[in-house]
Amino acid sequence: DVKVTQSSRYLVKRTGEKVFLECVQDMDHENMFWYRQDPGLGLRLIYFSYDVKMKEKGDIPEGYSVSREKKERFSLILESASTNQTSMYLCASSSPSGISTDTQYFGPGTRLTVL
Amino acid sequence: AQSVTQLDSQVPVFEEAPVELRCNYSSSVSVYLFWYVQYPNQGLQLLLKYLSGSTLVKGINGFEAEFNKSQTSFHLRKPSVHISDTAEYFCAVSVPPGGNEKLTFGTGTRLTIIP
Repeated sequence: DVKVTQSSRYLVKRTGEKVFLECVQDMDHENMFWYRQDPGLGLRLIYFSYDVKMKEKGDIPEGYSVSREKKERFSLILESASTNQTSMYLCASSSPSGISTDTQYFGPGTRLTVL
Repeated sequence: AQSVTQLDSQVPVFEEAPVELRCNYSSSVSVYLFWYVQYPNQGLQLLLKYLSGSTLVKGINGFEAEFNKSQTSFHLRKPSVHISDTAEYFCAVSVPPGGNEKLTFGTGTRLTIIP
């Protein structure tokens, strides 16, 4: 069964802290994504990665960075957390379009609160 | 660039009644279209997708959607809803060959089933 896991379901951090959100997939997918979900705004793409050590900015990359040292793991980093980064964060993965016309598989999400 | 509009943020429906969730898209090129569902406290799950071919697409849990190119719409329908259909539904679009890659989401429609 396809599985995308995220390290925490709920996380509370203080303003200015460095925050790591971890995502692991067991499907050998090349593509991995980080989205932010806010009420009334839907899902917005933060960063994505097509391969190990490769990353591309999405629609809202400001205040975030990512790391992909291994194929199965994609980390989202908040260098200095701010209250406006309080949100639900969703990770997803997929195989390359040239191989499959499948779609993205999502993790359960991490609800981050920054105080 | 592509965009997706979900006209209704909330839709209340009586149990066993039919439902239609509306989705319109904007794009200067051909697109792939998706509907995802998010049950409470869970990640997103693919309901159905349109890549090419028949404009009527059937998905899981009795849902179907019809691609209408002239009206740039991809409305989701179910003839008889159940309590278990209570969830948030997201329409999304991507540009070929990127069916597995960058998705642009709508803002979501919260479907509430009234017993």
